[in-house]
Amino acid sequence: GAVVSQHPSRVICKSGTSVKIECRSLDFQATTMFWYRQFPKQSLMLMATSNEGSKATYEQGVEKDKFLINHASLTLSTLTVTSAHPEDSSFYICSASGGQQDEQFFGPGTRLTVL
Amino acid sequence: GQQLNQSPQSMFIQEGEDVSMNCTSSSIFNTWLWYKQEPGEGPVLLIALYKAGELTSNGRLTAQFGITRKDSFLNISASIPSDVGIYFCAGQMNRDDKIIFGKGTRLHILP
Repeated sequence: GAVVSQHPSRVICKSGTSVKIECRSLDFQATTMFWYRQFPKQSLMLMATSNEGSKATYEQGVEKDKFLINHASLTLSTLTVTSAHPEDSSFYICSASGGQQDEQFFGPGTRLTVL
Repeated sequence: GQQLNQSPQSMFIQEGEDVSMNCTSSSIFNTWLWYKQEPGEGPVLLIALYKAGELTSNGRLTAQFGITRKDSFLNISASIPSDVGIYFCAGQMNRDDKIIFGKGTRLHILP
């Protein structure tokens, strides 16, 4: 299947700083990318849907000014957690779909720890 | 919004036993998906179901798309140690739509 990568795989930051997470589709053009958040022992919860070249659509309860999403190209979407706080510590996972692909492909996730 | 109820929440079984888990939804989906997630990794698709009533196998895994389009089950036959992990059901309306996940079934295999 197609490959989706995330960078970094793990990040630790101080409270109040901003963190950027990248999601890349390596071998297909992703017209749509999704960002999920997963707290320990819980399910994946969709945060937002981003289409290339347009503004992201956020799920209810997700602050768009805190979680900035940019999908500037067909192979890259970024999620920036601004002014991160300890409660933002979580596992962030992206997925991508588009082109000839029948399914969404998930990235390996990014573990964010805010001290 | 749409919700998926997945059961059981966790299972403890002996190696070699069969496993069954299921998922129900408050509304219909056009696609049902089953994923497995291992610690620290993203979910990996096991089986995708696109048609109501469809029964699909992938090795020792078998899944069915309920006729009402509001439920699905996953069976694992003759479990082995590498089956340990969290299994998620998920529903999707159309190909490029968001995927809604169930709460997961945590599978443990006793030595």
